[in-house]
Amino acid sequence: ETGVTQTPRHLVMGMTNKKSLKCEQHLGHNAMYWYKQSAKKPLELMFVYSLEERVENNSVPSRFSPECPNSSHLFLHLHTLQPEDSALYLCASSQTGTGGEKLFFGSGTQLSVL
Amino acid sequence: EDQVTQSPEALRLQEGESSSLNCSYTVSGLRGLFWYRQDPGKGPEFLFTLYSAGEEKEKERLKATLTKKESFLHITAPKPEDSATYLCAVLPGGGADGLTFGKGTHLIIQP
Repeated sequence: ETGVTQTPRHLVMGMTNKKSLKCEQHLGHNAMYWYKQSAKKPLELMFVYSLEERVENNSVPSRFSPECPNSSHLFLHLHTLQPEDSALYLCASSQTGTGGEKLFFGSGTQLSVL
Repeated sequence: EDQVTQSPEALRLQEGESSSLNCSYTVSGLRGLFWYRQDPGKGPEFLFTLYSAGEEKEKERLKATLTKKESFLHITAPKPEDSATYLCAVLPGGGADGLTFGKGTHLIIQP
């Protein structure tokens, strides 16, 4: 398997649920990212991990909790979400995370919060 | 504040009808400008990176150009398979490593 794989592809959850999004990259990259894509809005960077350390956190609410156990895997733990959190969540990877590199994106998880 | 504005929001062309998409930006110290293509139900796919004014890059029917204030994505004799949303993003200076994206241009090529 190659590229960046995200699971699940679709997720529906209630506001009191806890769920996790998973991302795996098979490209040998050292940096991984979470982006949020809402309808009619630009992609928003949420978190950046480089060599398994979080290097950027763009004022994301604490109900989103990232985890990067190794350079190939990235999780986004979700709890007590709000309906406005419904969006496409995209994972991406790049070679080093130093900026200016092209990103390789997964197909995303379409999240609906009821 | 760094900003990226893409126009038009949507564009419908006939097959073979050439056109250009615009990306205007205001950023403190541009380190790079990126173009991505996004198909429905998929993540963005990298197309080009431009680093300095006057730079041009080509790939098949696409050519990207860069000035100090904007970038254009020229599409020559497009085919229906070129239909997608095209995203522009900038990498600002100042040490931040995250890209700032525009909202995209939704392009439809009719056969």
